[in-house]
Amino acid sequence: SQQGEEDPQALSIQEGENATMNCSYKTSINNLQWYRQNSGRGLVHLILIRSNEREKHSGRLRVTLDTSKKSSSLLITASRAADTASYFCAQRKNRDDKIIFGKGTRLHILP
Amino acid sequence: EAGVAQSPRYKIIEKRQSVAFWCNPISGHATLYWYQQILGQGPKLLIQFQNNGVVDDSQLPKDRFSAERLKGVDSTLKIQPAKLEDSAVYLCASSTGQNQPQHFGDGTRLSIL
Repeated sequence: SQQGEEDPQALSIQEGENATMNCSYKTSINNLQWYRQNSGRGLVHLILIRSNEREKHSGRLRVTLDTSKKSSSLLITASRAADTASYFCAQRKNRDDKIIFGKGTRLHILP
Repeated sequence: EAGVAQSPRYKIIEKRQSVAFWCNPISGHATLYWYQQILGQGPKLLIQFQNNGVVDDSQLPKDRFSAERLKGVDSTLKIQPAKLEDSAVYLCASSTGQNQPQHFGDGTRLSIL
């Protein structure tokens, strides 16, 4: 079964705006990862955040982790048309466990 | 570096037929994964290899699915016989180790008629 859920399921914003996607999970984790998937393509790894970290940045991406609320968020600033994709969070419960993906958020950037 | 290669990109078969998918991971990646992604959902792990040994196949329907990774490099995933609910994209991924970011191929889209 899939452990986490992304929210919202779908999001449409104007180009240049910021996009925020959230991920909730049910049990404690070792780390949480965010992936992007363009239509018809494989997933691309974006950021990994460990359970003892609260925030990580990569270019226009910012990921936060709140272990007390069992939630994470992915912020994309100054969105571009090329950011149109599905975004998945994936949790690793223990160091040697498999990662479990949520159902994803479908992001559409309007020109 | 070359990415994860998968073939074929598309496959259409009738139920009860058999099908095989092939994956060539990134050179040097010890860990290889096969995922099933049903439309509108996230990928679900079917099997994970570390070199040529199986680490996790708890979600692989072993009555019809099989996978092997000969010599710890290329891998094949087979379905025999296929059912309608097997229609999905089958993704292969590889990583340098179990806890490292995974690199995905573009998948094989399987349609069962």
